[in-house]
Amino acid sequence: SQQGEEDPQALSIQEGENATMNCSYKTSINNLQWYRQNSGRGLVHLILIRSNEREKHSGRLRVTLDTSKKSSSLLITASRAADTASYFCATVPYNQGGKLIFGQGTELSVKP
Amino acid sequence: DTEVTQTPKHLVMGMTNKKSLKCEQHMGHRAMYWYKQKAKKPPELMFVYSYEKLSINESVPSRFSPECPNSSLLNLHLHALQPEDSALYLCASSQEPGLANYGYTFGSGTRLTVV
Repeated sequence: SQQGEEDPQALSIQEGENATMNCSYKTSINNLQWYRQNSGRGLVHLILIRSNEREKHSGRLRVTLDTSKKSSSLLITASRAADTASYFCATVPYNQGGKLIFGQGTELSVKP
Repeated sequence: DTEVTQTPKHLVMGMTNKKSLKCEQHMGHRAMYWYKQKAKKPPELMFVYSYEKLSINESVPSRFSPECPNSSLLNLHLHALQPEDSALYLCASSQEPGLANYGYTFGSGTRLTVV
């Protein structure tokens, strides 16, 4: 069973604009991670935020986590055509043996 | 070596065939995973191996049989599959199960078609 929902399901923006994706989950977690997948290939780990952290940055990525609302957001600033991909949030639920459970994903299209 | 290597990249098999998917990592990770992903859907967890022992089976049909011969290798044996089993099969590894500080490393997957 999947952990939660992401919105929007699809997002289309112009190069240089910012992209924001949201994720909600259902159970207590150890951490929340974001992954990128290009066109049905393997997933690439982008960033991890622990349950006791509220915000994290990595290059053009900014992730927030609100454990009281069981939600997270991923912001990609100054987007590029190469950022076009599917983005998934994934949680490691607390005390479930290290399962990594994925949200439904957001399909991002960045037009040059 | 910071990769998870999956072979083959593509596999077409008949419903009466037996085949195996292979996954290898040399990062010293002690947890390994199999996921199944259908088109336009998120990956779904199938199995978790922790320290070479099967720790989680997500009620996967017995026509899928995982095996972990050593800490670097993970196999998925396939037998009597159905066309609906056609999907991208992803292998992943992590340092330790549930360790809060590290992400998971995924292979590029095996695209399986059952005919």
